Parts: sequence; C-alpha cells; structure tokens
Amino acid sequence: DSGVTQTPKHLITATGQRVTLRCSPRSGDLSVYWYQQSLDQGLQFLIQYYNGEERAKGNILERFSAQQFPDLHSELNLSSLELGDSALYFCASSVRAGLAPDTQYFGPGTRLTVL
Amino acid sequence: GESVGLHLPTLSVQEGDNSIINCAYSNSASDYFIWYKQESGKGPQFIIDIRSNMDKRQGQRVTVLLNKTVKHLSLQIAATQPGDSAVYFCAENTYSGGGADGLTFGKGTHLIIQP
Repeated sequence: DSGVTQTPKHLITATGQRVTLRCSPRSGDLSVYWYQQSLDQGLQFLIQYYNGEERAKGNILERFSAQQFPDLHSELNLSSLELGDSALYFCASSVRAGLAPDTQYFGPGTRLTVL
Repeated sequence: GESVGLHLPTLSVQEGDNSIINCAYSNSASDYFIWYKQESGKGPQFIIDIRSNMDKRQGQRVTVLLNKTVKHLSLQIAATQPGDSAVYFCAENTYSGGGADGLTFGKGTHLIIQP
C-alpha cells in the first residue's frame, strides 16, 4: 500500500457526461500528479499540483481540469466524455515540487469506462 | 516518438533465474530514472531509481544499471520469484533547468515467471 488513495475504484458513464475523480496524497506529500493509462498510449502524465498551485502540465486535454484543495487532496474533472477517454487514471504524490529527483508513489487508480 | 521505450514487450524466465529488463531512452537531458512494477489491477509500485551521476545502484534483489553513452537503462532481478510476475516500466525525468514535467514512461515489459 503506497498510502495514496483514489476514489472511486470504478466508474461507468456515458458519452457527453462529466465525472470527478478524487485523490488523497500520502501524509506529508505536497505534490499530486495525475496520469492516464490506456492500451494505445501507455502511461501519460497529465498534470501536477504542488501545495495548491498548478506546477506542470503534460498531455492534458482542454476538456480535463484538476485542482488541489487546502487539505492537499486533488480532483480531476473530465467533461464531455468520449469513448476514447476510457482508461485507468492514476494519481501519484511526492514530497516536493519536482525541482529535484523525488519519488512519486502511485495510488490504485480509477478505471473509467465511457459507454 | 517515445522518449523512453522498452526493447521487449514480454520476457519469460524460469523461477530462480536472474531477469534482465532493458530500456532505451532518447532524451540526453534526462537525469533521473525510475523502475516501476505494475501488477494486474494495481497502480505502479516504485522499485528503484538512479540519478544520472551514477551508473549502478543496488537494492534488495534488484540492480539498476545506467549507460548514458548509449542511453540505456536496465533492471536486473536476482533469483526471480513468482511474485515478480508483473509489467515493469522504466520512467525518466529531467530536473536540470529548473523543474520537471512529470514522468515519461516506456511501454512496459511483461515479466512471466515459469515454474
């Protein structure tokens, strides 16, 4: 158990809908990262937050957004969902901002299925 | 193309033998490398990391080798056990220049342990 928690474990929804995925980092970690894992694209970095502020952006679609709250938990919002958004979404956390090598610990993921 | 990739999608080894999983990367600026293990239905689990100022690092039953000249990374698992069956990912990041954008993952190697 990495100490990173994610809810829900599974999510099934329809195209055009909006969902919110939740992540709680390890105790003491200030950075939260979101990744998407799909069969065709593999594991891809989406976005990072550090202590409530957006720190870095990866291959995140405009339909997706995230935020980190004062208690450091984070939410990933996915809107106007398409079939191709079906994937595993992982949250990872680390202690620092990413300015130096810093181990990222991953949560168990949320499996999103868009029908 | 992929910044980080793996040579073989599947590696089958006998229980008790040593396993070697290889990874090539193309970004010569990468300065931090990590190996993760992902079991079915779980999130990536940190195994070992290495910084670019090192060429070898050892953990418990695992060794990571880094060859910056040919941009190659390998993970050696000694005395492979059934519990080592998983997909192994190499990942890299670049911290020089003031920050990092999240990990870049290879596609993964599926390690299968034969009894």
